[in-house]
Amino acid sequence: DTEVTQTPKHLVMGMTNKKSLKCEQHMGHRAMYWYKQKAKKPPELMFVYSYEKLSINESVPSRFSPECPNSSLLNLHLHALQPEDSALYLCASSQGQIGPGYGYTFGSGTRLTVV
Amino acid sequence: LAKTTQPISMDSYEGQEVNITCSHNNIATNDYITWYQQFPSQGPRFIIQGYKTKVTNEVASLFIPADRKSSTLSLPRVSLSDTAVYYCLVGSGNTPLVFGKGTRLSVIA
Repeated sequence: DTEVTQTPKHLVMGMTNKKSLKCEQHMGHRAMYWYKQKAKKPPELMFVYSYEKLSINESVPSRFSPECPNSSLLNLHLHALQPEDSALYLCASSQGQIGPGYGYTFGSGTRLTVV
Repeated sequence: LAKTTQPISMDSYEGQEVNITCSHNNIATNDYITWYQQFPSQGPRFIIQGYKTKVTNEVASLFIPADRKSSTLSLPRVSLSDTAVYYCLVGSGNTPLVFGKGTRLSVIA
């Protein structure tokens, strides 16, 4: 298995809802990432997990809460989002190191719309 | 991470070779150069990575001059399906991927 699987593919949520995005990989990768991408913009790094521990939080608002229950699974819990949070949320993984020298595998993303 | 500069956009006809150059003047000794491709509404896909000279795989070639202050991604005989955004990234060690603006390649029939 050489894929990163993200669910759901599309999500519409109200500003008072609580929802979660899920990311799964079975490549034995020990680093996992969340990126946010707005239309016609590059992906922006949000969080980095290394060996199931949060190692980087790029000053993301607390309404986004990441969780790494095990080495194969990464969640992003969403609560009280704003319409400007609507974007494509991408998950990625890489082997043990998190540097750019190690090829990242990205999922196809979750298209989130906040209404 | 070293700052990278790429052309914002490029156009090419089908069947032509496309060369996208990336400038990274402050590249560090341990830095690798990595290129990703992204189609609309999909995650970026790793294309190629190199440290110096030339690297070739089944998809592309990467040319890196001796001073490593720039690199050129070469796509041979592009087709319409190569229309995408191409990102050049430079870095190493414990710093994660940080994307620049990328180059939007449009292939025309």
